[in-house]
Amino acid sequence: AQKVTQAQTEISVVEKEDVTLDCVYETRDTTYYLFWYKQPPSGELVFLIRRNSFDEQNEISGRYSWNFQKSTSSFNFTITASQVVDSAVYFCALRSSNTGKLIFGQGTTLQVKP
Amino acid sequence: NAGVTQTPKFQVLKTGQSMTLQCAQDMNHEYMSWYRQDPGMGLRLIHYSVGAGITDQGEVPNGYNVSRSTTEDFPLRLLSAAPSQTSVYFCASGWGQKYGYTFGSGTRLTVV
Repeated sequence: AQKVTQAQTEISVVEKEDVTLDCVYETRDTTYYLFWYKQPPSGELVFLIRRNSFDEQNEISGRYSWNFQKSTSSFNFTITASQVVDSAVYFCALRSSNTGKLIFGQGTTLQVKP
Repeated sequence: NAGVTQTPKFQVLKTGQSMTLQCAQDMNHEYMSWYRQDPGMGLRLIHYSVGAGITDQGEVPNGYNVSRSTTEDFPLRLLSAAPSQTSVYFCASGWGQKYGYTFGSGTRLTVV
């Protein structure tokens, strides 16, 4: 069975602080794919990143970075120098290579205060 | 290129009524899924499809039916609406297993 856990329900930071969103997953698949999505207050779901289980290289995109550690089944997301526009709900998700199902965590609500 | 189109955007139903939420995509994606979003629960998979004629259950399938007669369309049917089905529903589509999904804008359903 697949499971994604985002233990942080809500996080509040002040602008320019760094913040890390945690994601822990469970799967029996040897091949799988991990994702992060952003849901701003307007409600749409925006794809941020995909990582496959073979590639543990960390990725950086501007102020965003992702740390994938297979040994701890974690795929954490860090925002450096947060901005008010980063305020959103962030979802971590896991996709099985066997079934193709995409399963989401409960989401972390990030509030960045000016 | 419209992407994933969901209709309606808002709907109020009475308990026991039935309705169909429509979802269409124009990207020739093989995978399509329906999710519901409830506060504190994240997005939960209702049903999904890996191609025309093929559907399977997700995490919370009870009370919902789907069919996939074409690649483009994946309607979600509520057979007898219940207040517990009050939620925001998202349809999504994507290529293969490696890739993420493109999501529709959602349908906010209230069952009274």
